[in-house]
Parts: sequence; C-alpha cells; structure tokens
Amino acid sequence: QSVLTQSPSASGTPGQRITISCSGSSSNIGSNYVFWYQQLPGTAPKLLIYRNNQRPSGVPDRFSGSKSGTSASLAISGLRSEDEADYYCAAWDDSLSGVVFGGGTKLTVL
Amino acid sequence: EVQLVQSGAEVKKPGESLKISCKGSGYIFTSYWIGWVRQMPGKGLEWMGIIYPGDSDTRYSPSFQGQVTISADKSISSAHLQWSGLKTSDTAMYFCATVSGPGDSADYWGQGTLVTVSA
Repeated sequence: QSVLTQSPSASGTPGQRITISCSGSSSNIGSNYVFWYQQLPGTAPKLLIYRNNQRPSGVPDRFSGSKSGTSASLAISGLRSEDEADYYCAAWDDSLSGVVFGGGTKLTVL
Repeated sequence: EVQLVQSGAEVKKPGESLKISCKGSGYIFTSYWIGWVRQMPGKGLEWMGIIYPGDSDTRYSPSFQGQVTISADKSISSAHLQWSGLKTSDTAMYFCATVSGPGDSADYWGQGTLVTVSA
C-alpha cells in the first residue's frame, strides 16, 4: 500500500488532455514539493515535473503539474502515443524522513 | 552533464552477500544526496534510503532499516547498496538517483541494476 494514492490506470485518445491525480497528507504533499516521473517500459524513471509545477529542460510544455492542499495533479495535453507509460508522483514525507511514492498510473493511449 | 552509472546485473543465491554501486559524474559528488529506490517485478517504486556523500549522513526508510546498508566513497564518487544475507524477495531492479536534499525528491537517475536471487 503506497503512502500517496494514484488511480491505477488512465486512458485517452491522441490529441486529448488527461489528468492524473495524486492524494497524500499533511506530512508529505501538504508540506513539501511534489514531483512527477515518467517510466517507459524497461527504462529508469525520468523526472517530468519538480517542485510542484517546474519542468526540467527538455520536457515538453504539454506536461504540467499543480498542487492544492494535500493533492496534486499532472496534466498532459495533446496526448501522443509515446506518452504511453507509467507515471508516479512523489514527495518528501516529514514523518518518515524520506521520499514517498504513489503506486503509479498506467497511461494507455487508445 | 550529470550522470549516474550503476554496476551490472547480478545473480545470487539466498544467503549470499552483495554490494552494488552507483558512480556519479558531471557534478560535485559531495554536494548532493544519493537515494536508492527498489522496483520489484511488475510493481511500483519504493524509497529505500538516502546518503549525503559529503559526511555520510544516512537515513533509511523504516521498511528497509536493518535490511540493507547504504554507504558512499567520495574518493571514487560512488555510492553503494549492500546486503549481508540476500533473500529471494530481494529480487528487483534497484535505482540510484540524486536528491538535492531532505524535502526534495530524486532528479537524475541511474540506469538501474537488476538483482536476481534464486536457489
């Protein structure tokens, strides 16, 4: 059971906008930054969003992050087939003194 | 360019010991924390612990405290994850990643080391 809660799956058609949500608590999302990772099959996770809504260089602006209270969301607009991957949210947890992850959301592009 | 290069895949028997490594380059190794993440087959990401190579300050996730040892050797810009008695349940992919500090999460990731434990 992951500390952060994500829906196990999401889907969309090419060109569509989808959102993936992540729910936590006051000790993690409520008091620390949220990060989002994309993991393509057989590869290492890749940082997609850091510090709630910042994109590393090279990440398309189709990806955006937001946070409100103890929840966060990742939005992907102009969905493409290459976006099909697992997406994880993460945040530092003050109670555990470590990073906690969501269980991951498998995105299918129909 | 920041790079983390991990040691190669390992196949071990239950009860054996193992030490895997993660070598950093392209940045000041002693200025950033290194975290370790486990991914069991077909499962999600699990945080194991974090070390600051500058002074070897180490913090373990409660789930992994006492199960593994995290260390760093700043003379060779490497962090290590070791087991003294492997179990079949340790079969997983292990990733290292840089972390700016407590309060942040991982940014740059290594390619992963697959550890297989089987009799």
